[in-house]
Amino acid sequence: AQSVTQLGSHVSVSEGALVLLRCNYSSSVPPYLFWYVQYPNQGLQLLLKYTTGATLVKGINGFEAEFKKSETSFHLTKPSAHMSDAAEYFCAVSAMDTGRRALTFGSGTRLQVQP
Amino acid sequence: KAGVTQTPRYLIKTRGQQVTLSCSPISGHRSVSWYQQTPGQGLQFLFEYFSETQRNKGNFPGRFSGRQFSNSRSEMNVSTLELGDSALYLCASVAGGSTDTQYFGPGTRLTVL
Repeated sequence: AQSVTQLGSHVSVSEGALVLLRCNYSSSVPPYLFWYVQYPNQGLQLLLKYTTGATLVKGINGFEAEFKKSETSFHLTKPSAHMSDAAEYFCAVSAMDTGRRALTFGSGTRLQVQP
Repeated sequence: KAGVTQTPRYLIKTRGQQVTLSCSPISGHRSVSWYQQTPGQGLQFLFEYFSETQRNKGNFPGRFSGRQFSNSRSEMNVSTLELGDSALYLCASVAGGSTDTQYFGPGTRLTVL
């Protein structure tokens, strides 16, 4: 079984500042890792994913994340926050033993961007 | 290419009733998964269908069921609704490969009174 822990249910940054959203996972088998974003009254949009290969993953809208197996982490970063980044962000994991398409989500981090 | 479509977008039911939600995946996608999102429990996997067969199921009671048709459209059904079933129900479709991206629909907001 897998689990995901997102540290910080709310994160506030100033426009132009670094965005860092933390995600730690637990999995007994090699994981697939994902970051999704959800805007109010909308579904989830994939920002980026790690399956295999390069551990630094670049996604849409300037976001990137690094898979660190030794730290069981997959933190999401963006060098410069924009007002349009304000949303809720979810880290998710899946693994072969429970089905690659059965995502286990973290509890989410709401990002607020201050002008 | 049209995205994942979910109908209806909003639904109000009373306790004890049953409800059916529909999901049309992206054209060509053969796998559909369903998730429940609530403020208390967050996002939880319900089940996955591939080529009309349930391939995986989350930890939900038997009141929650689903099916997939030959055109890959999927429905989920909740019988004997409880107040706690109030949630956003999200559907996701995938082309078929294990590393393919899951594309989510906008969800159906179910309110149980």
